[in-house]
Amino acid sequence: DTGVSQDPRHKITKRGQNVTFRCDPISEHNRLYWYRQTLGQGPEFLTYFQNEAQLEKSRLLSDRFSAERPKGSFSTLEIQRTEQGDSAMYLCASSLVWDWGSETQYFGPGTRLLVL
Amino acid sequence: AQTVTQSQPEMSVQEAETVTLSCTYDTSESDYYLFWYKQPPSRQMILVIRQEAYKQQNATENRFSVNFQKAAKSFSLKISDSQLGDAAMYFCAYRWGSQGNLIFGKGTKLSVKP
Repeated sequence: DTGVSQDPRHKITKRGQNVTFRCDPISEHNRLYWYRQTLGQGPEFLTYFQNEAQLEKSRLLSDRFSAERPKGSFSTLEIQRTEQGDSAMYLCASSLVWDWGSETQYFGPGTRLLVL
Repeated sequence: AQTVTQSQPEMSVQEAETVTLSCTYDTSESDYYLFWYKQPPSRQMILVIRQEAYKQQNATENRFSVNFQKAAKSFSLKISDSQLGDAAMYFCAYRWGSQGNLIFGKGTKLSVKP
């Protein structure tokens, strides 16, 4: 399968611990997005990369969150000092952008985080 | 700020019947794109259909079609000949032309009765 993959699929952690999630986009996709989805809500944008450059960050992305995309391939999202309010599904999406209108985002299965 | 509103938290349809899911959005932009995504239980989100705001013709993908009313800022999804596999959360999403991120509504949970 050559779709977007995310690891781990589930993560349970204790409040105050650090967690890191990984996203592998579809090969040759130049854009990669992170979204957060809480129960009963639609996904909310966190940040995105074009190649290795982080182009935009939402105000939802507090200082405890950091994302990287070294070499423009896979991406990691780290949450430091987790809080119970961080419990959510973290979705990754990738796309190939050659003009603005052409972009279609393909989503991964998500990482479900539970902070105890 | 752009917003997307889905006013139907849940909908139900009989198998083989037609159902319409509603979506309204608010924007002052003229160049934008609208999407419907499907999220089956415990499965990843997939694109159902997309509509470019500059196109007057409503998009169609097999059993899925949209009714795009630009002046009213309305973007409804019609599912014809509903199948059991159509049961899922459906999210309406908006993207401004030069922006990358999608803005989603809260979703509509669609149940299909056999």
